[in-house]
Amino acid sequence: GAVVSQHPSWVICKSGTSVKIECRSLDFQATTMFWYRQFPKQSLMLMATSNEGSKATYEQGVEKDKFLINHASLTLSTLTVTSAHPEDSSFYICSARDSATNTEAFFGQGTRLTVV
Amino acid sequence: LAKTTQPISMDSYEGQEVNITCSHNNIATNDYITWYQQFPSQGPRFIIQGYKTKVTNEVASLFIPADRKSSTLSLPRVSLSDTAVYYCLVGDKRGDDKIIFGKGTRLHILP
Repeated sequence: GAVVSQHPSWVICKSGTSVKIECRSLDFQATTMFWYRQFPKQSLMLMATSNEGSKATYEQGVEKDKFLINHASLTLSTLTVTSAHPEDSSFYICSARDSATNTEAFFGQGTRLTVV
Repeated sequence: LAKTTQPISMDSYEGQEVNITCSHNNIATNDYITWYQQFPSQGPRFIIQGYKTKVTNEVASLFIPADRKSSTLSLPRVSLSDTAVYYCLVGDKRGDDKIIFGKGTRLHILP
């Protein structure tokens, strides 16, 4: 079946540094990908919609200058958490649908970010 | 975007059938109903999707009444490994349609 892969699975970084998370659709093309953040015992919260070849669309309250999204190809979107702080520590998940078939959405395995 | 309402949590026992109901009173004509399962520290995993009546796959069944204002996910003979959070989502199948999660149902299977 279709697979969405995230890298890395976990990362620990120091406050003030930036971290990049990659999301790849392995066997399909996705013109749109979605980025979520999930805190413990809570649901997934949509952060932004990543659009191939154009700017991302951010949800209300999400700082676009802090969470940089790039969707340079039909199989890769990246989320960069800039100047990370401990409150950015969370579980980040990406999702994508096959643009050709518009079937169900597939989710990456998630990235656990810990900022120390 | 249709909003969904599910029970916050449910307990059941191994071997039992578990039914989780989701309300989506404002579902639109083009909306599909999709259920996902999520284990701790993992991304959600697709379970089943339907538009109307009944859908069955190797994992679950999805029952949708004629008015489509609710749906029921049925898990036959659950095991301990079915302990997870289950999310009911309603939306268009277009690739760019936002996928908004509700609070989900935390299912706990007891031995």
